[in-house]
Amino acid sequence: QVQLVQSGAEVKNPGASVKVSCQASGYTFNHYGITWVRQAPGQGPDWMGWITTYNGNTNYAQEVQDRVTMTTDTSTSTAYMEVRSLRSDDTAVYYCARRRGTDSDGYYFDYWGQGTLVTVSS
Amino acid sequence: SYELTQPPSVSVSPGQTARITCSGDALPKKYAYWYQQRSGQAPVLVIYEDSKRPSGIPERFSASSSGTVATLIISGAQVEDEADYYCYSTDSSRNHGVFGGGTKLTVL
Repeated sequence: QVQLVQSGAEVKNPGASVKVSCQASGYTFNHYGITWVRQAPGQGPDWMGWITTYNGNTNYAQEVQDRVTMTTDTSTSTAYMEVRSLRSDDTAVYYCARRRGTDSDGYYFDYWGQGTLVTVSS
Repeated sequence: SYELTQPPSVSVSPGQTARITCSGDALPKKYAYWYQQRSGQAPVLVIYEDSKRPSGIPERFSASSSGTVATLIISGAQVEDEADYYCYSTDSSRNHGVFGGGTKLTVL
């Protein structure tokens, strides 16, 4: 069965960086993209961007594009997302999810990881 | 930036039909999707491509999309359907994903 397993919770100081991993299993990794979504406490989900796994192409949300890098390691079926220059408002649960769909019709996410809580606090 | 607008809350009695709307200018060109999120859990896809139901999702969940408004319909809502529901789509220019603000469904 399809599974996405994320790395554990992190606590970081403001200004630091965090790198969250997402290991996929149960499907051919480079046949689907990976998206990252975050959800601040008490808020709705926010799309952060996605990566096309077979060629590494990325598309980032404007709000985070200067501080976020998404990568993959196809040898281990693992996706990574790094956020730099962390601020208190980056405190959120970060989810990876498998991306489906097309450019013309739009993309969506069918399987999700369990989420990784990143807390930014001094 | 592109926005999807949902009502903050909807309340129905058990067995009634709940309707949650989502409005967005690009919905005539892009599919709408619906996610259910229970407290402390990851979102779950309940509707894809405007009106299709993934396997394992109860038949009481259905949806439609007309013009700039997509609607999630829960026929015969049950107590276990209490959750936050988010519509999702992509903008028509940069293919960026967008979630609606979410609707809290109360069934009591």
